[in-house]
Amino acid sequence: NAGVMQNPRHLVRRRGQEARLRCSPMKGHSHVYWYRQLPEEGLKFMVYLQKENIIDESGMPKERFSAEFPKEGPSILRIQQVVRGDSAAYFCASSPIMQLDRGQRGYTFGSGTRLTVV
Amino acid sequence: GEDVEQSLFLSVREGDSSVINCTYTDSSSTYLYWYKQEPGAGLQLLTYIFSNMDMKQDQRLTVLLNKKDKHLSLRIADTQTGDSAIYFCAESSNYGGSQGNLIFGKGTKLSVKP
Repeated sequence: NAGVMQNPRHLVRRRGQEARLRCSPMKGHSHVYWYRQLPEEGLKFMVYLQKENIIDESGMPKERFSAEFPKEGPSILRIQQVVRGDSAAYFCASSPIMQLDRGQRGYTFGSGTRLTVV
Repeated sequence: GEDVEQSLFLSVREGDSSVINCTYTDSSSTYLYWYKQEPGAGLQLLTYIFSNMDMKQDQRLTVLLNKKDKHLSLRIADTQTGDSAIYFCAESSNYGGSQGNLIFGKGTKLSVKP
């Protein structure tokens, strides 16, 4: 039973390039959350998705950032025209459908993608 | 808004107990969590507590919740060098009708000296 899979583990991009981060949730999980962890900081919520639906994107920067979770395939967090301030660890978490299960089991996190913008 | 506060560092000797403290602001939080993050790794769920509980014990871990003061603590008994990591307190958010995303503290870095 594979956990939450994120790739790549490390990503280096030059300023102005695009970054694409992928997340495959745990088997049986239909909710995906993206978090960003800046150096020496806790995780900050970015976006919550279900299949083909963005539920809450209140934590997403207004520009350059987008996320999707298509019917088939992994969830993608896309950052266009990256800047140095985008350098961070980006974590994906997934959770079961039922809220009670979600509470009791918490959210399962992937190992993260560490983005470095040079 | 919501906020979760933790002290940033804690240093203990191997075999001692560690107590990591956390305060939160969202009184409507249903669940509160403790996560562990080792260097270069993701977050591992250690334990959680439901908001109508005062205490939860799980082997070496004891969670205490003071809902009146909005204070949560994690006690690790017989701390080992393998417990060295960053520990995050998190609350499930019900703010603004959100669907249960987590609000994290900045993490407490636990150093265990042999």
